[in-house]
Amino acid sequence: AQSVTQLDSHVSVSEGTPVLLRCNYSSSYSPSLFWYVQHPNKGLQLLLKYTSAATLVKGINGFEAEFKKSETSFHLTKPSAHMSDAAEYFCARGGYQKVTFGTGTKLQVIP
Amino acid sequence: EAGVTQFPSHSVIEKGQTVTLRCDPISGHDNLYWYRRVMGKEIKFLLHFVKESKQDESGMPNNRFLAERTGGTYSTLKVQPAELEDSGVYFCASSQDRGVAKGNEQFFGPGTRLTVL
Repeated sequence: AQSVTQLDSHVSVSEGTPVLLRCNYSSSYSPSLFWYVQHPNKGLQLLLKYTSAATLVKGINGFEAEFKKSETSFHLTKPSAHMSDAAEYFCARGGYQKVTFGTGTKLQVIP
Repeated sequence: EAGVTQFPSHSVIEKGQTVTLRCDPISGHDNLYWYRRVMGKEIKFLLHFVKESKQDESGMPNNRFLAERTGGTYSTLKVQPAELEDSGVYFCASSQDRGVAKGNEQFFGPGTRLTVL
């Protein structure tokens, strides 16, 4: 079965420092990959998606992710964390009719 | 444009009771999905409607769960009778196009947090 693995359940960074949230996917011929964010009491919001075009994908709020086929990774990064980035982040892959999610990474931003 | 809405936002019931969750998709979206996140675990697919037809219900846990989408608009998910392990957050999503593998986005609602005591 196709799967997505988020390597860290919690990540803590200081405000203004870089963010790295890690995601690996099981090998597939052509995955569609997504990053979603969920702020407290809000729905899942799409940050960015990879669909076999450019390997470096830019999303909203300054986030980006790089698709690395050789490493089967799709890590999410941001150069400088803001307090408003504190949330839970989900890596996911698109199947034909459904999305398969990782277990989520809670990002804490320390002032 | 209104997003996907879900009602209620929270529900606390006792074991053995019945609960019905509602999802209103984005207007015009034929595809509607239900997902569930049990505490600490990943968000898991439950089922997929295209208009009023169930396309895939392979993720439904058991026959205590019944999903309907009469008229192809809003959907309900009924749990009867509820058990302790049904506690979690139930998400609804909708999309205009079916092919998530092609990168077509599913738009998610805020979820319903269900607690079974």
